[in-house]
Amino acid sequence: KQEVTQIPAALSVPEGENLVLNCSFTDSAIYNLQWFRQDPGKGLTSLLLIQSSQREQTSGRLNASLDKSSGRSTLYIAASQPGDSATYLCAVLYSSASKIIFGSGTRLSIRP
Amino acid sequence: DTGVSQDPRHKITKRGQNVTFRCDPISEHNRLYWYRQTLGQGPEFLTYFQNEAQLEKSRLLSDRFSAERPKGSFSTLEIQRTEQGDSAMYLCASSLARGGNIQYFGAGTRLSVL
Repeated sequence: KQEVTQIPAALSVPEGENLVLNCSFTDSAIYNLQWFRQDPGKGLTSLLLIQSSQREQTSGRLNASLDKSSGRSTLYIAASQPGDSATYLCAVLYSSASKIIFGSGTRLSIRP
Repeated sequence: DTGVSQDPRHKITKRGQNVTFRCDPISEHNRLYWYRQTLGQGPEFLTYFQNEAQLEKSRLLSDRFSAERPKGSFSTLEIQRTEQGDSAMYLCASSLARGGNIQYFGAGTRLSVL
C-alpha cells in the first residue's frame, strides 16, 4: 500500500530558528513529490515540487530535498517567522495519470 | 485566469439533506480531481475526470456520492442523504494531462452536517 507519513504531527519553535520537517513514503517509484502549505480553514498552497529525477528545490527561505532510495523528503525552513505558522503537507504522485497521496501534515507554530 | 474556483465556500446542512458543490477548473485543464479532507488529516482522493469521463473512483465514494463533469468543463459533487460523518473540506484540483499532471487546488468547500 502506498502511504505517506509525516512526523512530527505538531512542532512549536521560537522565531528565528531553522527547522526541518520530515516526510517518508513507502513506495520509492514516485513521479514527483510536492510540499504544500495550508492555513486553518483554507485551501492548499503549493510551495515546492521536486521531480523524481531531482534531489532538491529551493524557493526563498525554503529548501526541499528528495532521497528516493530511502523514501524520504525534508522541508527545511530557514530563519522561521510567525507568518510561517501553518500546516505543511507532503504529497506524492506515483504516475502522471494518478491521484496525489498526502501525508497527514505537520502543524507548525512559530512563537514570537 | 482566476485559478480553480469552488462554490460555495461553506455549506451548513441538516442530516438527511442533499447538497451539491461546484468546481470550475483552470480553463484549459482537461483533468479534474475531487479530494476530501477531515480535521487533522491530509486530503484523500475521491474521484477524477479526464474531460467528461470519470476514470477513477475511490472506495470512499459511497453510493450516496455522485460526481459529474457533463461537458468536460465544470464539475459537480452531490451528496445525498448527508450524514454527520460527511462533514469535511471538499477540495477540487485541476491539471493538464500533459506536462506532468501538476495539480492546482481550489480553496475548498467546507461542509458541516448538523
